[in-house]
This record gives sequence, structure tokens and C-alpha cells, in this order.
Amino acid sequence: DAKTTQPPSMDCAEGRAANLPCNHSTISGNEYVYWYRQIHSQGPQYIIHGLKNNETNEMASLIITEDRKSSTLILPHATLRDTAVYYCIVRVAAGANNLFFGTGTRLTVIP
Amino acid sequence: GAGVSQSPSNKVTEKGKDVELRCDPISGHTALYWYRQSLGQGLEFLIYFQGNSAPDKSGLPSDRFSAERTGGSVSTLTIQRTQQEDSAVYLCASGAGFYTFTEAFFGQGTRLTVV
Repeated sequence: DAKTTQPPSMDCAEGRAANLPCNHSTISGNEYVYWYRQIHSQGPQYIIHGLKNNETNEMASLIITEDRKSSTLILPHATLRDTAVYYCIVRVAAGANNLFFGTGTRLTVIP
Repeated sequence: GAGVSQSPSNKVTEKGKDVELRCDPISGHTALYWYRQSLGQGLEFLIYFQGNSAPDKSGLPSDRFSAERTGGSVSTLTIQRTQQEDSAVYLCASGAGFYTFTEAFFGQGTRLTVV
């Protein structure tokens, strides 16, 4: 079962940074934080993952609090194509384990 | 192929009929997942295969649902005696590796409509 909580929806102005929060207060020491997004009518797409250090790639940045009980996905310059449902997931990085999706945050980027 | 392929893309079936949904994972990927997504809902986990290990079937909603993975590659999800509540998009994903980070790559899904 999903171990994360996210706000159901958020709006963001085009060109501004979108900051999507996620709470994972019961995260275990060997569990990573993963983010996926699902654009309408498509399968989910991997964005980024991290353990305890902040991470950045070409799509986004991931900020994880020191106690690891929450994190924030940052889309630095949101575009209309970033409108999607964003899922925050915690799981171990390898091995025979599953990938449970919660309800996610529906981000709407407004022109 | 370059990505996860699912077939058919759309399936309309009559209540009570059996259906088979197919997933071709990315070549070499040992992990394979099935999910379903009802209209406007989140992703519901169904079943997970990892290499030759016994699959995790904990998400299958009833004994009408079953899945197999032949030769560690192609997977088939079978729904027997379909019901209207089975209508959903069925998504398949695959991932590489067992001891390393397994990013999951999703297919475009099969939209199942039970009438």
C-alpha cells in the first residue's frame, strides 16, 4: 500500500517553478523516494529518485528533508506540457519489491 | 522494440466473456508489472514478476484474474468471465535488473470496456 500523502491538486503559472510536496513519514532507512508523472492517456513516466541527498536531472530537482519524512519535486520552469498527475512513491531501490502508486497530485499549468 | 508494447490497444467485450491482454516488455528486463486504472482513478497494482521468482499476486482482485510470463519475457493477463467493473485501462511496465535501481517503463495500456 502507498506510504505517501500528496495534495490532490495544484495549479502553477506557466514559466514559474512548480513545487510539489510529498509526505512519507514512515519511510525506512533503505527506501528511496521516486517520482513519476502521468500525462493524460499515457502510461506513467519516471522523473527522478533519491535517498537522502538532493538530486537534479534534466527534468526536475528533488529536495528531501534531513529527517527524510518529506520531499519536494521542483519543476523549475513549468510549461503547459508539464500538466499531469505526479506520483510520489517510496520503495527500496532493488530486489524483489513492488511499486505502489498513491493518488498523486494533479498539476495544472496555467498559461 | 524500443519500449513496452501492449496489445490490443482497445478491447470491447461482452460481460461474461474471457479476455487476454498481452505485454511485450523491453528486451532484457527482468521485472514486469501489471496495473489497472479506472476512469479518473489512480494506478491499482495487480501483479509483479521478477526473473524466475514466484510472482507477487497480492494485487489481483479476484480469482477471475490471472497472469503468466513465458520464458521471462512476454506476459499475458487473463480475465475470466468479465464483469462491467473490470472496465479500465490495463497498464504493463518493465524494469531492468534485480540488484540495481529498477526504473519502470510503462506501455500505453490496453483500454478494456465490458458491455
